[in-house]
Amino acid sequence: QVQLQESGPGLVKPSQTLSLTCTVSGGSISSGGYYWSWIRQHPGKGLEWIGYIYYSGSTYYNPSLKSRVTISVDTSKNQFSLKLSSVTAADTAVYYCARSGVVFSYYFDYWGQGTLVTVSS
Amino acid sequence: QSALTQPASVSGSPGQSITISCTGTSSDVGGYNYVSWYQQHPGKAPKLMIYEVSNRPSGVSNRFSGSKSGNTASLTISGLQAEDEADYYCSSYTSSSTWVFGGGTKLTVL
Repeated sequence: QVQLQESGPGLVKPSQTLSLTCTVSGGSISSGGYYWSWIRQHPGKGLEWIGYIYYSGSTYYNPSLKSRVTISVDTSKNQFSLKLSSVTAADTAVYYCARSGVVFSYYFDYWGQGTLVTVSS
Repeated sequence: QSALTQPASVSGSPGQSITISCTGTSSDVGGYNYVSWYQQHPGKAPKLMIYEVSNRPSGVSNRFSGSKSGNTASLTISGLQAEDEADYYCSSYTSSSTWVFGGGTKLTVL
């Protein structure tokens, strides 16, 4: 059973960089076959896909966030990470990591529990 | 990429059936059979309920079914149970190689 777990600071100051890590267990990122995504949910709102990374390091980002987002992978630790720069209060949200398939399996079958990040001074 | 359009809320009594709609465009819902549905209870992560328009993952009750016509996808829950009360989100893969979600629908079991 694949499990994902987000970790990182719950409070970030405006204009700083939000950094989160997702640790995957029960499966290897380096085995391929899956995209590893970050998705966020503003308080009381819907879901927003941020971007994904493949084990090879190739990435794809939501155009609306592309200029501020970097997703990286560390296959030795079976982790992938999110960095979101120049944050504002509008980036306050619950951040989830999730897995989707690569070949015609474009749905998120495993999710982390989510971590709330608040942007405030 | 605009969010998919869902009704803000739906309700039904135990044992009844309800349907939640999800409207997009030809660049997402209408262009691909990659619509999925997620159930989210308060404070919990979303759970995959339907993928590729109408397929159920192992372990999901057959009371949940999905369909699509044109740019609108639908989730139907039959034989409503109290445990079905949750928020439901649709999602679609898009022509821009991204994913878009709906705004969510709150299901109340009366």
